[in-house]
Amino acid sequence: EIVMTQSPATLSVSPGERATLSCRASQSVNSGLAWYQQKPGQAPRLLIYGASTRATGIPPRFSGSGSGTDFTLTISGLQSEDFAIYYCHQYSDWPLTFGGGTKVEIK
Amino acid sequence: EVQLLESGGVLVQPGGSLRLSCAASGFSFSNFAMNWVRQAPGKGLEWVSSIDGSGGRTYYADSVKGRFTFSRDNSKNTVYLQMNSLRAEDTATYYCAKDRRASGSGFGFELDYWGQGTLVTVSS
Repeated sequence: EIVMTQSPATLSVSPGERATLSCRASQSVNSGLAWYQQKPGQAPRLLIYGASTRATGIPPRFSGSGSGTDFTLTISGLQSEDFAIYYCHQYSDWPLTFGGGTKVEIK
Repeated sequence: EVQLLESGGVLVQPGGSLRLSCAASGFSFSNFAMNWVRQAPGKGLEWVSSIDGSGGRTYYADSVKGRFTFSRDNSKNTVYLQMNSLRAEDTATYYCAKDRRASGSGFGFELDYWGQGTLVTVSS
């Protein structure tokens, strides 16, 4: 099983600043990596797939990078609606696995 | 507009059984794999199972293998998760989610639409 490790667990950021979230895979997932945003009481929302492709309707302040085992989600110019939990997800191999999440909170 | 509507979540005793349903609309259902992902209260996301567009292939997490069965009825645009021998650790909100890509070259990819979830509580 590919283990996905996200860091940090919690990130405190001021509105308007940049947030950088990390996700590391225990073995290469090539570009089979997605990022999701989840707000309290809501279902996850797909942000990024293929490590760097924004999903439909996702604003350009969200960007993804990386390949192999190390990935980054960057949120530039954080807005109030961006404070949430973010999960990475590898779909390179079965079983599909998720990271433990990074909570982005208001500083 | 794509919609996924889960149902069937209830309070059930340990060892009991339950069937979840997820009714889909707004897309060509049989062309897309579907998935179940669960989230225990206050915890992260855990993949449970995936099924291809035809229903002929399925994959399961080890934690549910042999106890859960994922099926679909393409004539009703609905998927089902039959859950047997339920344990306390199965307590979670269960989401159904759709593969973003049409299942022509495999399945189990990024998940572009999710239902709102249905809560399963396993407790005596």
